Amino acid sequence: LAKTTQPISMDSYEGQEVNITCSHNNIATNDYITWYQQFPSQGPRFIIQGYKTKVTNEVASLFIPADRKSSTLSLPRVSLSDTAVYYCLVRTREYGNKLVFGAGTILRVKS
Amino acid sequence: DAGVIQSPRHEVTEMGQEVTLRCKPISGHNSLFWYRQTMMRGLELLIYFNNNVPIDDSGMPEDRFSAKMPNASFSTLKIQPSEPRDSAVYFCASSYHSSARLAKNIQYFGAGTRLSVL
Repeated sequence: LAKTTQPISMDSYEGQEVNITCSHNNIATNDYITWYQQFPSQGPRFIIQGYKTKVTNEVASLFIPADRKSSTLSLPRVSLSDTAVYYCLVRTREYGNKLVFGAGTILRVKS
Repeated sequence: DAGVIQSPRHEVTEMGQEVTLRCKPISGHNSLFWYRQTMMRGLELLIYFNNNVPIDDSGMPEDRFSAKMPNASFSTLKIQPSEPRDSAVYFCASSYHSSARLAKNIQYFGAGTRLSVL
């Protein structure tokens, strides 16, 4: 059920910018793209959401191209506490506009 | 607000037993979601309700799984009979879903119930 695609893992160092891309070729027309962060033994936590172009909040930026077939989560100046799994969530036109989480990207931040 | 509350946090049961997971959504939210998370399949949407009505249950694996939402502040996910392959972490999430054509619908998750079926 590969309706979305994310890199399995990424490594980074403290202070660097990290970009994680999610591909979602069959995204539904009228729905937002949402990213979540998950720590071990916790539920996913909302990070950022956008529909098109660029969105920025206090923790991240989200870049969405005009065709909306992908989205890139950007974490500026990561710290050790940003080590977590990051998921994109979209509604896809496959299987009747079903909500689908990506497989998740394990981000490891090193000192 | 206390957030989405799930109980129990951990459940260990034997194959064939009935299991009931419970969820209290955030007050004022009108949508509720049940997810299952496993290493093999990741986060899967099982069912979601809007205004206490099931909207999409296509993710419910089989007839052994059932979910109810008798009122806006409570939902249950029941597995009867349980099997070892049902072992997973089950999450409940809630959101406020507006009727706007383009709705944001941010989901807030509970801490999950870790189910082990022996």
